[in-house]
Amino acid sequence: DSGVTQTPKHLITATGQRVTLRCSPRSGDLSVYWYQQSLDQGLQFLIQYYNGEERAKGNILERFSAQQFPDLHSELNLSSLELGDSALYFCASSGTGWSNQPQHFGDGTRLSIL
Amino acid sequence: AQSVTQLGSHVSVSEGALVLLRCNYSSSVPPYLFWYVQYPNQGLQLLLKYTSAATLVKGINGFEAEFKKSETSFHLTKPSAHMSDAAEYFCAVSGDQTGANNLFFGTGTRLTVIP
Repeated sequence: DSGVTQTPKHLITATGQRVTLRCSPRSGDLSVYWYQQSLDQGLQFLIQYYNGEERAKGNILERFSAQQFPDLHSELNLSSLELGDSALYFCASSGTGWSNQPQHFGDGTRLSIL
Repeated sequence: AQSVTQLGSHVSVSEGALVLLRCNYSSSVPPYLFWYVQYPNQGLQLLLKYTSAATLVKGINGFEAEFKKSETSFHLTKPSAHMSDAAEYFCAVSGDQTGANNLFFGTGTRLTVIP
């Protein structure tokens, strides 16, 4: 158990809809990361938050947004969903967010778009 | 820019044989390197990390990796494969001039262990 909790585990929805994925980091970790894992793109970094502030941005679409709340949990919002958004979305956390710190991953949310 | 290349998307070994999973990195700054393992329907679990201390890094489950700057490599090894090692393995690099910590992953290597 990594200590990172993601909900829900599975999400099935239709094109054009909007969903919210939730992540609770390990106790004491200030930094949260979101990654997308798909068959064609592999594991790709989406966005990082540190103590409530956006820290780094990767290949995140404009239809996607995220935030980190004062209690340090984070949400990833995906809107105007397309078939290609079907993927496994992982949240990870680390203590300070600096390069030498390993990230600890949750079990992911599997998103299926019908 | 940071990147890693994993040679071999599938590797098969016999139980008890040596496991060797290859990873080469590209980095504009001294890299921090990681190996993660992913079991079916699970998240990524950290196996080991290199953060500029000893070049030979020991991890969990009997795995180790050696950082070779001259070869820009960070290959993962285990002397004797066990059936429970069957999984997908990802090499990752982090670190840039800003100190940002986002990971760049390789495409993964699926390890099959033959009884």
